[in-house]
Amino acid sequence: SAVISQKPSRDICQRGTSLTIQCQVDSQVTMMFWYRQQPGQSLTLIATANQGSEATYESGFVIDKFPISRPNLTFSTLTVSNMSPEDSSIYLCSVGQTAEAFFGQGTRLTVV
Amino acid sequence: EDQVTQSPEALRLQEGESSSLNCSYTVSGLRGLFWYRQDPGKGPEFLFTLYSAGEEKEKERLKATLTKKESFLHITAPKPEDSATYLCAVQATDSSNTGKLIFGQGTTLQVKP
Repeated sequence: SAVISQKPSRDICQRGTSLTIQCQVDSQVTMMFWYRQQPGQSLTLIATANQGSEATYESGFVIDKFPISRPNLTFSTLTVSNMSPEDSSIYLCSVGQTAEAFFGQGTRLTVV
Repeated sequence: EDQVTQSPEALRLQEGESSSLNCSYTVSGLRGLFWYRQDPGKGPEFLFTLYSAGEEKEKERLKATLTKKESFLHITAPKPEDSATYLCAVQATDSSNTGKLIFGQGTTLQVKP
């Protein structure tokens, strides 16, 4: 199994600002995934980050709003840009393909 | 469109009262079906992956089964510490993204002592 560390664990941010979330994995992985879990809802994939290439975004998510970096095989960041209250969610980093997929503890973001 | 539906949304059990959670899925081809447990304020914790109809997996009081249209998570003689939200997710074979998980809404289980 993989151990995934996310920072920060929670934050309260002003609207119009940006927050960068970090995800560190204890082993090298090809693909890292970023999910959003809105209040009372399930997880939705935002984008997939491969090392050395541009992230692939799901329908409804764009790079200008959620820029992603993947500088090496153990680390990725997700930035939530120009935040509004609608961005208040839990953001989760995940690794794994078939067989098993593991998640970090999540970042609980509140935008005021 | 690939879709996952879980029922019930919420379930209250007495300690020792066995029950089952349902996960119905619609995908053109199933690569794998995943079960997770999520405690409040934490990320999902991996439980099982099932790949083909008829497959079963067990872990302590939990047993997951799979058919061509749904999966069940059976909880035998639950304890209060089994209280959590249980999430079901699928990976589809027709997805170009082999790691993408499509999640259901989850079932929130409360086990009373």
